[in-house]
Amino acid sequence: NAGVTQTPKFRVLKTGQSMTLLCAQDMNHEYMYWYRQDPGMGLRLIHYSVGEGTTAKGEVPDGYNVSRLKKQNFLLGLESAAPSQTSVYFCASSNAGSGANVLTFGAGSRLTVL
Amino acid sequence: GNSVTQMEGPVTLSEEAFLTINCTYTATGYPSLFWYVQYPGEGLQLLLKATKADDKGSNKGFEATYRKETTSFHLEKGSVQVSDSAVYFCALTSSNFNKFYFGSGTKLNVKP
Repeated sequence: NAGVTQTPKFRVLKTGQSMTLLCAQDMNHEYMYWYRQDPGMGLRLIHYSVGEGTTAKGEVPDGYNVSRLKKQNFLLGLESAAPSQTSVYFCASSNAGSGANVLTFGAGSRLTVL
Repeated sequence: GNSVTQMEGPVTLSEEAFLTINCTYTATGYPSLFWYVQYPGEGLQLLLKATKADDKGSNKGFEATYRKETTSFHLEKGSVQVSDSAVYFCALTSSNFNKFYFGSGTKLNVKP
């Protein structure tokens, strides 16, 4: 099983450009998440989804949009990239129902905005 | 609200030294607690977990005990190896929606 796959792994954008990060999971997980990781700040939740067709805001949602049209995919979009969005982005997924759920992470996508 | 505080790094140890990484939390309800590890260039992986007070999670020689009275979940290992060099994250889940809250991470460097 591939687990959680993120594409692309690296991307460089100019300020104002748009792009979409794709996350795909093959574990039939209900919940999916997008985090960003910045030095000294750990992981911060951008958006999450508790099921196909649903999305919700996390801690730092501004400047990002998401969609969950299919259960296995969770897309993160940047409509107009800014240098402050330079970061490493991680997608994760988990099962629903139990309070002891475990997150499975992708390998990360490093985004640089010039 | 929910939050996790862990000791700042980096922590540098010699091989076979004893490791402690402190983690304290603030939570409503009855959270589950986790330690995740991130090796260079990779995503986070679950290291161990504990779901209720006084539970001890353990894996690969690492241990952590869920202490409700001190709201702590400190990570320990008796003898570290060079291969343990990584960033360690303490985390908790809220009691609803399975939202996870992460600490800022502690980088561990183990020298031969």
